[in-house]
Amino acid sequence: SQTIHQWPATLVQPVGSPLSLECTVEGTSNPNLYWYRQAAGRGLQLLFYSVGIGQISSEVPQNLSASRPQDRQFILSSKKLLLSDSGFYLCAWSSQGAPNEKLFFGSGTQLSVL
Amino acid sequence: DQQVKQNSPSLSVQEGRISILNCDYTNSMFDYFLWYKKYPAEGPTFLISISSIKDKNEDGRFTVFLNKSAKHLSLHIVPSQPGDSAVYFCAAIGSGYALNFGKGTSLLVTP
Repeated sequence: SQTIHQWPATLVQPVGSPLSLECTVEGTSNPNLYWYRQAAGRGLQLLFYSVGIGQISSEVPQNLSASRPQDRQFILSSKKLLLSDSGFYLCAWSSQGAPNEKLFFGSGTQLSVL
Repeated sequence: DQQVKQNSPSLSVQEGRISILNCDYTNSMFDYFLWYKKYPAEGPTFLISISSIKDKNEDGRFTVFLNKSAKHLSLHIVPSQPGDSAVYFCAAIGSGYALNFGKGTSLLVTP
């Protein structure tokens, strides 16, 4: 069966510090991968998605970046965190091809930027 | 611009009664709709979905209704149970790669 791992579960970082959140998927090949953020009082906002190694699409311009160095690994990074980067970050995957509507989410990372 | 809207941020229902969660969308190209359930500090989990070719889909206590002309869908939970207390996200997809989510409705089912 497929599983998705996301870590760390919680993170407290000072403003201006770097960020690296990692996500890996097991039990499937060539998945679509996604990073979402749930900020306080807001819904789930798509940040990045990837349909293959090295292929990253950004939905929202910001100081975050994503990389996909391996087929089942997705990394969210920042060189300098802002206060507004605080939120609950979720990694998700879906099967390649249509329909790919059903997303499977990781357990999330609660990021607090102080 | 929010293409999927859940205008009720919270809902409180007594155990055993019906919970109705509403969702509106603006993009007429959306053709598949999903509901996700999320507990605190966890990722959302898929609950139920409906294709635009249908107007109703039922799965146990959960039923989703779709009104395409009104661009409106709703999730009915009957009977509601305390374990149903969670945040419910409505989501929609058309030809794009990713789901468009609403802001969520926090459901509280009281004993």
